[in-house]
Amino acid sequence: AQKVTQAQTEISVVEKEDVTLDCVYETRDTTYYLFWYKQPPSGELVFLIRRNSFDEQNEISGRYSWNFQKSTSSFNFTITASQVVDSAVYFCALSEAGGGGFKTIFGAGTRLFVKA
Amino acid sequence: NAGVTQTPKFQVLKTGQSMTLQCAQDMNHEYMSWYRQDPGMGLRLIHYSVGAGITDQGEVPNGYNVSRSTTEDFPLRLLSAAPSQTSVYFCASRPGTGGVRNEQFFGPGTRLTVL
Repeated sequence: AQKVTQAQTEISVVEKEDVTLDCVYETRDTTYYLFWYKQPPSGELVFLIRRNSFDEQNEISGRYSWNFQKSTSSFNFTITASQVVDSAVYFCALSEAGGGGFKTIFGAGTRLFVKA
Repeated sequence: NAGVTQTPKFQVLKTGQSMTLQCAQDMNHEYMSWYRQDPGMGLRLIHYSVGAGITDQGEVPNGYNVSRSTTEDFPLRLLSAAPSQTSVYFCASRPGTGGVRNEQFFGPGTRLTVL
């Protein structure tokens, strides 16, 4: 069965600090997709990144970077030099491709506070 | 494109009342889904649809019904509202082509309170 665990409920940092949000997943599929979404205080959900199970390359996009490690079933998200605008709830999600799977399962989310 | 739209934005119901949350998308997406968001629980899948006329249950389907008569619309019905259904409800869609590898597009949400 699919499962996504985001053990950090809330994180508080001071602006310009680096912060890593953890995501651990469980799946029996060999083909699956991992996602990160951001939910700012305004409430909408914004897609950030997708990774498939065959691509373990880390990715960097500006101040954001993602570290995907199949060996530890983790897909962690790092924000470098955090800014107040990064304050949001961040969700990790998992979709399985096998067994006719159409479901995307989300973790409980990590609320990030960035203080000026 | 309006993307994914949801109505109403806010709703207050009394226990036992029924209502329908509306969701529409104008991107011709085959896949649509409903989630509820509760503190500490993340987003939990209620029901989803892979195309007109095809729906299936998610993680927490009890107390909710859905139907999909058109590609554009995917309403969520609360049959007899209970306080446990107080939540924020999100509708989402994604293209059918490419399936689960696609990210979902979310509506703005409906905040429902059941008294």
